[in-house]
This record gives sequence, structure tokens and C-alpha cells, in this order.
Amino acid sequence: EAGVAQSPRYKIIEKRQSVAFWCNPISGHATLYWYQQILGQGPKLLIQFQNNGVVDDSQLPKDRFSAERLKGVDSTLKIQPAKLEDSAVYLCASSFDLGEQFFGPGTRLTVL
Amino acid sequence: QKEVEQNSGPLSVPEGAIASLNCTYSDRVSQSFFWYRQYSGKSPELIMSIYSNGDKEDGRFTAQLNKASQYVSLLIRDSQPSDSATYLCAVSLSGNTPLVFGKGTRLSVIA
Repeated sequence: EAGVAQSPRYKIIEKRQSVAFWCNPISGHATLYWYQQILGQGPKLLIQFQNNGVVDDSQLPKDRFSAERLKGVDSTLKIQPAKLEDSAVYLCASSFDLGEQFFGPGTRLTVL
Repeated sequence: QKEVEQNSGPLSVPEGAIASLNCTYSDRVSQSFFWYRQYSGKSPELIMSIYSNGDKEDGRFTAQLNKASQYVSLLIRDSQPSDSATYLCAVSLSGNTPLVFGKGTRLSVIA
């Protein structure tokens, strides 16, 4: 069974630029999550999708972050404009049941 | 504010010893508990899940849950240098709800 796929793996941008990340969950997993992990911290939820609907986006900085999962499968997360403090690893995870979430390899974002 | 607390470490144990990692959580209604292992530069990897009070064993790993004390632990028996990583405790209210993570405990197994 293929795992969660993410791209790109690394991205370096200047502040105020925009960036987008892509995630393809494990086949059959209806629930998809985006987390942000800052160095030395545990992952923090940004947004949760159930199929193509948003379940929880309470911690998403909506003035600059957006996410979509139009067909209930893959998802994109966008940051526009980026700030220095957005430098982090962006992790996508998916789950089927029991709450066991499986993570993709992540995208390491550096904002200069 | 839901919180999950872990000692950041580093926790150093000799090869072959038992490593004991601890975690406390603030939200009393939490129902699902997980341990993830994260190697440097890699993403978290699920190693144990536990949902009811008591012990759950899987190979060299044992997870322990005490909901009354709001306490979760992970024991690693016969620790190996390959177990050196950061261990993240994660808690959720129920299935398919977001995980709240601790900051992780860095484990170093000395050969």
C-alpha cells in the first residue's frame, strides 16, 4: 500500500512570495490533515478535511493560508504572502478509522 | 487549551536497557493516545496506539495508559542505537479528530 505522498520536498522562497504544497493521501482515507511543525516542536494542526469538506480550520491563519481538497482525494495548501515565521515543515497526514494518522514525508519550507 | 506535556530530554540509556518515556495530557475527555517516532529530518512514524486503561505490548514496545491520572507512557525494552530518535506523544478526543502533540522527548541509546 502506497503511503502519503507530498511535493515538493523542499522549497526556499523570499518573504512576501507565495508557495503551494500538494498532498495525496493513502487510497481510501477520507480524512486528511495538514500540520505545521516548527523545529523543536510537535506538529500543530492547520486544517482537517473529511472527504472534500472542512472539519476544523480553527488554527489556520486565514489571512495568508488557504487549503482545498476539491475532489475529496488530493489537497493543496497555499501560503500567500509568506512571512519569515512560516519557515517550518508542512506535514500532510491521512486516516481511515481509529484515529491512526499516517504522515507523508513533509515539505521543508525556508522563507528568507 | 488542550496541552500535552513531555520531558524534552535528552534521555540517554545504554544499549540493552529499558527506556521509559512519559507524557501527561490536560483534556480529561481524551480517548485516543498515540506514540510516534521521528528521526532527525524525517516525518513522524506511528509506533503505538492505545485507547483503554492498562498496558498494550507490541514487540519491544509497551504503551501504558492511566486515564484517571491523565498519563501515558512508552517503554522500550532491549533498547538499540537505532531507537535513538525523538518520541512524540499525541492525544485526540476520538477517532478521526485532530491530534494534539507534545514537543517530544529525544532518546539517545548509547552503544
